[in-house]
Amino acid sequence: AQKITQTQPGMFVQEKEAVTLDCTYDTSDQSYGLFWYKQPSSGEMIFLIYQGSYDEQNATEGRYSLNFQKARKSANLVISASQLGDSAMYFCAMREGTSGTYKYIFGTGTRLKVLA
Amino acid sequence: GAVVSQHPSWVICKSGTSVKIECRSLDFQATTMFWYRQFPKQSLMLMATSNEGSKATYEQGVEKDKFLINHASLTLSTLTVTSAHPEDSSFYICSARVATNRGGEQYFGPGTRLTVT
Repeated sequence: AQKITQTQPGMFVQEKEAVTLDCTYDTSDQSYGLFWYKQPSSGEMIFLIYQGSYDEQNATEGRYSLNFQKARKSANLVISASQLGDSAMYFCAMREGTSGTYKYIFGTGTRLKVLA
Repeated sequence: GAVVSQHPSWVICKSGTSVKIECRSLDFQATTMFWYRQFPKQSLMLMATSNEGSKATYEQGVEKDKFLINHASLTLSTLTVTSAHPEDSSFYICSARVATNRGGEQYFGPGTRLTVT
């Protein structure tokens, strides 16, 4: 079974609009972390946002926010006021394990295209 | 801060030769480094976890003798692809973990594109 599921292979959004990228996860750990990364065509992985499993409030980083619904095991990324430079692949990832044995598992990604 | 470099950024080698890829944390000490492999239009697959001073932990299906990992110091880890074959052509990305209050987030290097001819 997939541990990280991103069901949207591709998404389009109009410039200045908001967009939600879906991510669901599966783990039996009580303590885990959820991450979103952006990968432009150049290939580098850019960290966007982090949510810890015990964090009660949804994480926010500028135009990025993470809609964390623990009971549903979902961690959707919301990008507000989309910009042309937001066009890229977006990966959801989960950190399992304990300090010293951390392992990161990535979803299959969503390709976002921002339209002018 | 938290910059990770990789060298080389791209390499072309002949089948049967070995290639070494370096991963360095430039402005912090990384107790753990990770090596990933990414095929075109696919996700990152963890190959191995490398802790300084100890043997790397390889994921299931990754050949230890083919992908040699050495974590020589808190700022350097190397991945050597031995006896490379065309099917080893891929994008290899390293990351270094920082123990912060953000849950141990990792910082990625820019990646190395390996082409085996």
